Amino acid sequence: EAGVAQSPRYKIIEKRQSVAFWCNPISGHATLYWYQQILGQGPKLLIQFQNNGVVDDSQLPKDRFSAERLKGVDSTLKIQPAKLEDSAVYLCASSLGRGRGIYTGELFFGEGSRLTVL
Amino acid sequence: SQQGEEDPQALSIQEGENATMNCSYKTSINNLQWYRQNSGRGLVHLILIRSNEREKHSGRLRVTLDTSKKSSSLLITASRAADTASYFCATDASNAGGTSYGKLTFGQGTILTVHP
Repeated sequence: EAGVAQSPRYKIIEKRQSVAFWCNPISGHATLYWYQQILGQGPKLLIQFQNNGVVDDSQLPKDRFSAERLKGVDSTLKIQPAKLEDSAVYLCASSLGRGRGIYTGELFFGEGSRLTVL
Repeated sequence: SQQGEEDPQALSIQEGENATMNCSYKTSINNLQWYRQNSGRGLVHLILIRSNEREKHSGRLRVTLDTSKKSSSLLITASRAADTASYFCATDASNAGGTSYGKLTFGQGTILTVHP
């Protein structure tokens, strides 16, 4: 079974530029998450989707960050304009969720996209 | 905000020794999970313990949960150099006591180094 795919793995941009990250979850996983992990810290949830609807985006800086999950499969996370403090690893994760009436609670993570803002 | 707080922040041991990491949290939970992260990689799920469970085992891993103290511990027995990684606890407090919708809040992590 293929894991969670993310791209690009690395991105370096200047502040005020824009960047987009892509995630393809494990097939059949209804729930998709974007986490931000700053160096030396634990992951912080930015947004959670259930199918193509948003479950939680309370910690997403909506003035500069946006995310979508069209058709309830893959997802993109965009930052525009980027700030220095956005330098971090952006992790995508997926889980079965309740789409099939099963909840295991386990999240499957991708390798992450490392963003450096200069 | 970070729900779980791991202790210690860093742990250095010799191969074959046991490693114990602790996690404390603040609110009622549905379940608590432990994840491992190797340097530069994504997180890997290790074990999940539900709020009505007190202890769980998986291979060389043993997890305990004390909901009265709002704390959990992860024990890795007979550690190996390959266990070197960061370990995170994550709490699922979404609709605690009811139907979880799977929102996890991670702690800061414990960096474990196992010397050969």
